[in-house]
Amino acid sequence: QSVLTQPPSVSAAPGQTVTISCSGSSSNIGNNFVSWYQHLPGAAPKLLIYEDHKRPSGIPERFSGSKSGTSATLGITGLQTGDEADYYCGAWDSSLSAFDFGGGTRLTVL
Amino acid sequence: QVQLQESGPGLLKPSQTLSLTCNVSGGSIINSGYYWSWLRQHPGKGLEWMGYVFFSGSTFYNPSLKSRLTISVDTSKNQFSLRLISVTAADTAVYYCAGQRGPPARGWFDPWGQGALVTVSS
Repeated sequence: QSVLTQPPSVSAAPGQTVTISCSGSSSNIGNNFVSWYQHLPGAAPKLLIYEDHKRPSGIPERFSGSKSGTSATLGITGLQTGDEADYYCGAWDSSLSAFDFGGGTRLTVL
Repeated sequence: QVQLQESGPGLLKPSQTLSLTCNVSGGSIINSGYYWSWLRQHPGKGLEWMGYVFFSGSTFYNPSLKSRLTISVDTSKNQFSLRLISVTAADTAVYYCAGQRGPPARGWFDPWGQGALVTVSS
């Protein structure tokens, strides 16, 4: 059972904007950086956001990350059918003494 | 650009030892600055971080796996490996190797290997 809570699924139409939440506590998000990953079936997970809001080179500006207190949010604008995937947040948890991931959110682009 | 590729047996029987290797290409395992990590994903579940090894050989493990897990590095082959003893069906998963940057165990994972499916069944 993860200490980071994500909604199981979100959906939106092409071109629209969607946000995915990741809720935690002071043991994880509140005092540690958050990273976000996109996972397409059969492919390697892909880093989208690191250190709460930074984008690696090659990641479009459509993807953004933010954090407030013990919650983090991934935003995706201008949705494309190719964005359909599972999205995971992750952060170090000092109570677990382990890096933990959220349970994942399945994005459907209608 | 560093690339990773997992290899190892895909089918094990309960109580056996799981051994996987991650080949690092496109960069040196010594001076790339990564914490070389293993993660896994159980069928239909989320991601689980298992632990890392640094090029020096220092390691850090998820406490939930620490008693069964060994991660090691072979700098001469530019590879790092995972060894998990006494496997059960609960260890059936896709195993990923990845490079972690940032503070040890606290940073982000990039790049990742394609993953290796390991099934434990009698």
